[in-house]
Amino acid sequence: GENVEQHPSTLSVQEGDSAVIKCTYSDSASNYFPWYKQELGKRPQLIIDIRSNVGEKKDQRIAVTLNKTAKHFSLHITETQPEDSAVYFCAASKSLQGGKLIFGQGTELSVKP
Amino acid sequence: DTAVSQTPKYLVTQMGNDKSIKCEQNLGHDTMYWYKQDSKKFLKIMFSYNNKELIINETVPNRFSPKSPDKAHLNLHINSLELGDSAVYFCASSQAETQYFGPGTRLLVL
Repeated sequence: GENVEQHPSTLSVQEGDSAVIKCTYSDSASNYFPWYKQELGKRPQLIIDIRSNVGEKKDQRIAVTLNKTAKHFSLHITETQPEDSAVYFCAASKSLQGGKLIFGQGTELSVKP
Repeated sequence: DTAVSQTPKYLVTQMGNDKSIKCEQNLGHDTMYWYKQDSKKFLKIMFSYNNKELIINETVPNRFSPKSPDKAHLNLHINSLELGDSAVYFCASSQAETQYFGPGTRLLVL
């Protein structure tokens, strides 16, 4: 069935370093890949997304890359700050019209000052 | 100006009880969802409605019954609550692919 694997489950970096989180999806029909940030006790919030017709997208310190052949996509955060500390979720969907999101297991990112 | 709202925020109840969670969105979106986040933070789709019509039902026990009185509201009723139902339940809405989540309802079944 549909599955999204996310690694690592925890990630600790020093402030100013880069952080990379990787996901692999199983359904080759997936065509939309969002990343959500969830702070403790809060709702998941969309931080960046990428569609299958694009290989890379950047928004300030955050970038996402997509390799459709390998069914991999990754989140890159540069110049990390303590406020980046949160749980990050990747997800995949195979519809551009309100399809269900299949989430990865989450990565708990800790940025140490 | 809350986009997706849920009530209640917290719900503590005994096993066997019946409870409801309400969700409202003021974004004008056509599609709404219920997700369950378990104690390990795993997020899983439960239901999806498009214009009041059920389009996704992810093998959720039939103790869970969603209802959409109009496209701005999607409620979740749970019968005969069990310990394993304890989780955070998130409502979400979308117009195209981007989904916006509500603040969540933390359900604790004792």
